[in-house]
Amino acid sequence: DTAVSQTPKYLVTQMGNDKSIKCEQNLGHDTMYWYKQDSKKFLKIMFSYNNKELIINETVPNRFSPKSPDKAHLNLHINSLELGDSAVYFCASSQRDQPQHFGDGTRLSIL
Amino acid sequence: AQSVTQPDIHITVSEGASLELRCNYSYGATPYLFWYVQSPGQGLQLLLKYFSGDTLVQGIKGFEAEFKRSQSSFNLRKPSVHWSDAAEYFCAVAPPYGNKLVFGAGTILRVKS
Repeated sequence: DTAVSQTPKYLVTQMGNDKSIKCEQNLGHDTMYWYKQDSKKFLKIMFSYNNKELIINETVPNRFSPKSPDKAHLNLHINSLELGDSAVYFCASSQRDQPQHFGDGTRLSIL
Repeated sequence: AQSVTQPDIHITVSEGASLELRCNYSYGATPYLFWYVQSPGQGLQLLLKYFSGDTLVQGIKGFEAEFKRSQSSFNLRKPSVHWSDAAEYFCAVAPPYGNKLVFGAGTILRVKS
């Protein structure tokens, strides 16, 4: 059973398009996260939701909008994609102040 | 602000040799400390964590790490490396009772036979 699953695994699209990445966790955790890993493998948190409430919102362009329909799902929608958005996006989940469990990532490539 | 430094970008060790990966952090108090491993094309897997108590913590796959408050360090060790340990290793910190993980830049481990 996959604990944190992301879809799609690969996403290739053109500049200016709008795309979404979905994330689901079956661990019963109350907190979910989105991270961005750039080409140099540097990982940075973007957002965190606790019980559907946004609790961390780093300095991310407002083209990025997370949505949490319930505490098992956290989706990431990106408008007007730019070349610099090319990265691997990781979803994670945890019980608050417990270690985070990561998905396998979504590799986003902008042409 | 929290920060994490992993001074070694790449490390190469022979199979069966011992390993130590360095991690230093900057934080006003004692943070929560973690080591994660990432294999190519995969997500991050938690190796071990330190919250409080015994400063030597054991993790999965034979790894251990030691928290040294005086040196603000949390180095990862393994007595005998296996070829399957080749991966990228990330040290991370979070504030106590918080969940904002800050990662180091990672150390790529290569294992030669």
